[in-house]
Order: sequence, then C-alpha cells, then structure tokens
Amino acid sequence: GAGVSQSPSNKVTEKGKDVELRCDPISGHTALYWYRQSLGQGLEFLIYFQGNSAPDKSGLPSDRFSAERTGGSVSTLTIQRTQQEDSAVYLCASSGTGGETQYFGPGTRLLVL
Amino acid sequence: QKEVEQNSGPLSVPEGAIASLNCTYSDRGSQSFFWYRQYSGKSPELIMFIYSNGDKEDGRFTAQLNKASQYVSLLIRDSQPSDSATYLCAVDTGGFKTIFGAGTRLFVKA
Repeated sequence: GAGVSQSPSNKVTEKGKDVELRCDPISGHTALYWYRQSLGQGLEFLIYFQGNSAPDKSGLPSDRFSAERTGGSVSTLTIQRTQQEDSAVYLCASSGTGGETQYFGPGTRLLVL
Repeated sequence: QKEVEQNSGPLSVPEGAIASLNCTYSDRGSQSFFWYRQYSGKSPELIMFIYSNGDKEDGRFTAQLNKASQYVSLLIRDSQPSDSATYLCAVDTGGFKTIFGAGTRLFVKA
C-alpha cells in the first residue's frame, strides 16, 4: 500500500514569509508525528497527534510553529514569519497507534534565504 | 528531561566484521525500543524493535536490551558496505512520545 507522503519535497522561501508543509499518513494510522532534522543532526520532535486527542505540542520551538490534523488524516505544519534557522528537513511519520513502529515520509527540505 | 544518548561516531569497521552500536536512555519507565537506519539524504527506516530484556535476532541484526542498566544495543554481523549509514536509537517513554538519539554513523570499509 501507499506509504507516508509529504509535499512539497523542497521549499525555498524568503525570510519572513509563511510556509505550509503537508503530510498524508498511511491510511488507517491513528498516530502522526512531525520532526525536524538539521544537517548532520538527530531528529527533533515537534508535535504528535493521536486520534481525536489533543495533540502533544511540547516540541514546537516557538509560537511561529503550528500544526493541524484534519479529519484524523492529513496534517499541515505551518511556520509563520520564517527565519533562517528554520532551514532543515521536516519529516512526518505515522504509526498504527502511538508507541508502535513509525513509518517516515520522504521529508520536506526547507531553505529560508 | 528524558534523554537518549548515542556515540556520534563515526564507527569504522572492515567488511565482514561485527559492528556494535550502543544506546543508553534515562527514563526507567521506557517500554519500547527501536533501531532505525538512515542513509544520507533519506528518511529513517525501521531495522528492529525490542520490548523485553535479552536478545532479539533478525538475520544479520541482533538487538540487545538491558533494562536494569538502561541500555540497548544493535549488533550487525558480517557487516557490508551497504550497511554504511547512520543508526538511530529510539525509545518510547510512555505517553506515546518517542525520543530519538542523535545517531551513530557507521562506515563499513570494503
């Protein structure tokens, strides 16, 4: 079946602009995660959605970052007023339920000029 | 703060040797442990998971878990150049929040 998909695959934007990153999880997966990975670094947890529960936003680095998950499926990560330090690969993952194996999408490579 | 620690490497081993990757974690309540492999420029993919103390083998890979000492390791037997990648240790700390280590870079020399 189809894996996790993300769009766009690459995004170049100017400092101060807003960007939206999209994640389409594996069908039927109730858990969805967003991570950020800077060059040569590990995965930084951003936010976690589980079913209809309130999301765990504890990893969001600032109030410029927000995420939604509509209808328990597709998720959008929004970064407002982007800064150069936001440049990274943003990875989305889904799992059947929380705590299980996570399946990662190909990521969105964001470059803020 | 809950942490997962890995030696960043690089760990260099000759082809055919055993590569040993180690990971320690701080939260004693952790229940599930995962090893992911990440090739350069690619997304992480699951290699193995382990829940119980002891060893779990899958082909050339063996995961070892010692909850008392709070460490988990991954052994790769008969290492191949294609095993060269970054290996990420991940720990589910309960509440379904998975903490990833920074990863160990493995280089297998042909």
